[in-house]
Amino acid sequence: GQQLNQSPQSMFIQEGEDVSMNCTSSSIFNTWLWYKQDPGEGPVLLIALYKAGELTSNGRLTAQFGITRKDSFLNISASIPSDVGIYFCAGPTSGTYKYIFGTGTRLKVLA
Amino acid sequence: DGGITQSPKYLFRKEGQNVTLSCEQNLNHDAMYWYRQDPGQGLRLIYYSQIVNDFQKGDIAEGYSVSREKKESFPLTVTSAQKNPTAFYLCASTWSVNTEAFFGQGTRLTVV
Repeated sequence: GQQLNQSPQSMFIQEGEDVSMNCTSSSIFNTWLWYKQDPGEGPVLLIALYKAGELTSNGRLTAQFGITRKDSFLNISASIPSDVGIYFCAGPTSGTYKYIFGTGTRLKVLA
Repeated sequence: DGGITQSPKYLFRKEGQNVTLSCEQNLNHDAMYWYRQDPGQGLRLIYYSQIVNDFQKGDIAEGYSVSREKKESFPLTVTSAQKNPTAFYLCASTWSVNTEAFFGQGTRLTVV
């Protein structure tokens, strides 16, 4: 099935550093969603984007809806140990109820 | 509190047996979904339902079955025909198209 291309696949960073990750698609999306998943738990919604060019923040997290509508970016500022987890991007295929998920970025924060 | 409840959290099954995973939501969402997640991998769609008494196959429906008799409930049955059933199963729901998807806590199924 279709998947979004998410990069990087994994990151090891020092506590306090900023993090950037992105998600790209060959097709246009009308909505971009960013999730965080802790081990053994379900994904939790972090940020939802609905408009091309939109920039939205949630605490230390900032996400942007790319102007081409084929990509999205998530930034985490001043990382802390609890930021550890897997971050997924997702979007519904146009006009359908089917959601496509990225392959995930695994983030590890070193204290 | 509104949300999605999956049960049980952990499930063990003997080979050759069918098993049913529960998913209930009180968000009044129309659409519900089942995903499978394998270690180190993303989410793959098994089945989804846009409305009561209707459901569609996803990318990996073989060996699974679902029903949607009530808006709040979307149980998934893992049949003996599923060759590699050991995985983490996630249920989700959405209000409509192009809206946020919310997930349950997941059920980890292990075949012994």
